[in-house]
Amino acid sequence: GAGVSQSPSNKVTEKGKDVELRCDPISGHTALYWYRQSLGQGLEFLIYFQGNSAPDKSGLPSDRFSAERTGGSVSTLTIQRTQQEDSAVYLCASSPEGVRTGELFFGEGSRLTVL
Amino acid sequence: ILNVEQSPQSLHVQEGDSTNFTCSFPSSNFYALHWYRWETAKSPEALFVMTLNGDEKKKGRISATLNTKEGYSYLYIKGSQPEDSATYLCAFNTGTASKLTFGTGTRLQVTL
Repeated sequence: GAGVSQSPSNKVTEKGKDVELRCDPISGHTALYWYRQSLGQGLEFLIYFQGNSAPDKSGLPSDRFSAERTGGSVSTLTIQRTQQEDSAVYLCASSPEGVRTGELFFGEGSRLTVL
Repeated sequence: ILNVEQSPQSLHVQEGDSTNFTCSFPSSNFYALHWYRWETAKSPEALFVMTLNGDEKKKGRISATLNTKEGYSYLYIKGSQPEDSATYLCAFNTGTASKLTFGTGTRLQVTL
């Protein structure tokens, strides 16, 4: 399909393990965002990529979180040494140029459960 | 810290009822206000992107208004249907940031 694709859709892991979440944005979209929604909370901004510019990492909650975007397309969010409070739905979204010019197109999310 | 507040937190209406939700946001440094609908097990989907004070947008039975001077937006659903059941999110963007700040959403349930 032509939408934003995320994998895995569900991930259950043990505390202390590392996890990788993948996002394949809509082709041609230069802006890519990661958000997460913890139980009972709103969508929390994590990181933003725009073209070849340095990413806005201001929302990453700790140094255990990192993300990269290779070739301006696919992005991977990595969580090291997972903790129970990392359990959330991680949403990826892309946009032709960013939210200042239009809407976000979201994937269906990756639900992470840390036991 | 930007606070975007939505009310009510949840709402339960019957089919055919009309309803509305509120989104409050900081009135200073406003750039855009987004509304999204998030159905269970699906991805959030954009409803409206609004930028002008006094703007009113409509998509089918759903409409939204925007007051940037006082910092609020209303989302209206006319003649609610079960398929309208979802969480409705509003999000705010300032002129200096490239991210959206989301509210916690209004969860709507429409029953027959």
